[in-house]
Amino acid sequence: QVQLQESGPGLVKPSETLALTCTVSGGSISSGGYYWSWIRQHPGKGLEWIGYIYYSGSTYYNPSLKSRVTISVDTSKNQFSLKLSSVTAADTAVYYCARVYGSGSLWFDPWGQGTLVTVSS
Amino acid sequence: QSALTQPASVSGSPGQSITISCTGTSSDVGFYNYVSWYQQHPGKAPKLMIYDVSKRPSGVSNRFSGSKSGNAASLTISGLQADDEADYYCIAYTISSTPVVFGGGTKLTVL
Repeated sequence: QVQLQESGPGLVKPSETLALTCTVSGGSISSGGYYWSWIRQHPGKGLEWIGYIYYSGSTYYNPSLKSRVTISVDTSKNQFSLKLSSVTAADTAVYYCARVYGSGSLWFDPWGQGTLVTVSS
Repeated sequence: QSALTQPASVSGSPGQSITISCTGTSSDVGFYNYVSWYQQHPGKAPKLMIYDVSKRPSGVSNRFSGSKSGNAASLTISGLQADDEADYYCIAYTISSTPVVFGGGTKLTVL
């Protein structure tokens, strides 16, 4: 079955750019009907949707983060990526990637295990 | 503040049933039957439990059920078990400026 795995630095300095990659295995990122999403969870808090991308490159972002977020896809590597610029301590969170079924429905499954990113100097 | 409103916490004893509500608007929960529910144990990734308001993915216990009335969706867990103790989130499609909205989460405690 499809599995997702996040990777990237666990520590980022303030004002720098957070960069994470999600590697998809067991299925093609180019499968129609699916979007590929990033979600984060601040320590002890709820889930926050960051955005998602279709394999064609179409993107949808959370308006509250849109000015700092870029999600891209590399179909040749079966990966998609997140870049979040000008980070502050408020961006410290566990970052999850997930597959989103979005054709006549909307659900997130499966999810990656998550990766903790700490913003600190 | 989250776009979908969930109670912060609910509790129940083993064997009992509980219901978690997810209240939105006519632009999200009330618009389409695109409401899903997720279970998250501490330190783990969320797991899909219900999609399209009331459908269960393969492998999810039939003790979990979902429903919707107007702008509010609900997740019911019957025959509570200790392992059901977790956080639960609802997610819905929305026709507003962002295509998806999340609930704030509900902590279920099994007494």
